[in-house]
Amino acid sequence: QKEVEQNSGPLSVPEGAIASLNCTYSDRGSQSFFWYRQYSGKSPELIMFIYSNGDKEDGRFTAQLNKASQYVSLLIRDSQPSDSATYLCAVNRWRNTGFQKLVFGTGTRLLVSP
Amino acid sequence: KAGVTQTPRYLIKTRGQQVTLSCSPISGHRSVSWYQQTPGQGLQFLFEYFSETQRNKGNFPGRFSGRQFSNSRSEMNVSTLELGDSALYLCASKREGDYRNEQFFGPGTRLTVL
Repeated sequence: QKEVEQNSGPLSVPEGAIASLNCTYSDRGSQSFFWYRQYSGKSPELIMFIYSNGDKEDGRFTAQLNKASQYVSLLIRDSQPSDSATYLCAVNRWRNTGFQKLVFGTGTRLLVSP
Repeated sequence: KAGVTQTPRYLIKTRGQQVTLSCSPISGHRSVSWYQQTPGQGLQFLFEYFSETQRNKGNFPGRFSGRQFSNSRSEMNVSTLELGDSALYLCASKREGDYRNEQFFGPGTRLTVL
């Protein structure tokens, strides 16, 4: 079992719809979670960070965290063709070395059609 | 503030050769991490350097090594290149003391091994 799992997609949604991206993780000790967006040929850029259970909203983006069920999701409202990219879920956890490690899922490819 | 920079951006090598990649972090960031990204495996953590010391290491063979200089710039070296080393190599920096462990990525070096 991978530490962080995402459906590779592609997830296809029409322009203006809500895109829902999901991520599950295996380490119950994980404490903080990130969503990165990566356009083809580019490096990942941070779009959301969430630490506490519940929802966190930032513009058209909402991150949802459920630690008991070990999943984190990203909702994109009013999806635009410019949102077409790969979305990477990343989980931050402490190692027994005393240092933190960021573990990434393989990403979900989102396609928004005009 | 300038972002993370990486050189070179593209590199073509043949099997058996070695390669050195360079990364300059965001000014004031002293932690530098390296990742390998391939279509099949996604983003895989290589190692992290802080204050010229490696403090975190992923599960890669000893052919992969790195170092950090007193100005926080970092290099990674891959010796005896194999075809499977073809990948996008990403460098990321972060502020020390950042409990979130937010990584800021550079543009990456695309390595092709023939």
